[in-house]
Amino acid sequence: QKEVEQNSGPLSVPEGAIASLNCTYSDRGSQSFFWYRQYSGKSPELIMFIYSNGDKEDGRFTAQLNKASQYVSLLIRDSQPSDSATYLCAVNTGFQKLVFGTGTRLLVSP
Amino acid sequence: DVKVTQSSRYLVKRTGEKVFLECVQDMDHENMFWYRQDPGLGLRLIYFSYDVKMKEKGDIPEGYSVSREKKERFSLILESASTNQTSMYLCASSLGALNSPLHFGNGTRLTVT
Repeated sequence: QKEVEQNSGPLSVPEGAIASLNCTYSDRGSQSFFWYRQYSGKSPELIMFIYSNGDKEDGRFTAQLNKASQYVSLLIRDSQPSDSATYLCAVNTGFQKLVFGTGTRLLVSP
Repeated sequence: DVKVTQSSRYLVKRTGEKVFLECVQDMDHENMFWYRQDPGLGLRLIYFSYDVKMKEKGDIPEGYSVSREKKERFSLILESASTNQTSMYLCASSLGALNSPLHFGNGTRLTVT
């Protein structure tokens, strides 16, 4: 069983819509959760991280964490074509080791 | 801004060659990591290091070794390259604090023929 699961997509949304990206994890002891964006041919770049249950907002991005359900999500408001990329969910399983999901490809159409 | 620099963007090597991938970070980070990324498999941890001269195996260490002689530099070594090691290799670093995020280098696309 994979430790971090993401739907591979692609998730297609029109420009201006809300994109919702989801991630589930298996290790109940996980303490911190990260979202990275990766453009084709580039390395992952950190978007945001969340440690506590609830929502965390940063500009157009909102991360949501539900530890009881072992579920973390990323909402992108007012999606732009430049948001088209693969979004990687990563979970800290201890000792600062991150386990990554395989990513969800997001396509935002003009 | 944290800068993680990988020495080569593209590399082509022959089967059986010894290959060195170099990574340098400029933010005095304690932790350094080597991942490989393959389509459909995502990022998989090869080796990591918490401190100079320390190393720990990740999930897929077979066929690889590492060296960390200085805090800022972490090298990945393929002792005898094989075609199944053709991949994108990503170096990353992070602070030693709990829950610190990873900062990635630009990656090295290695092809073994």
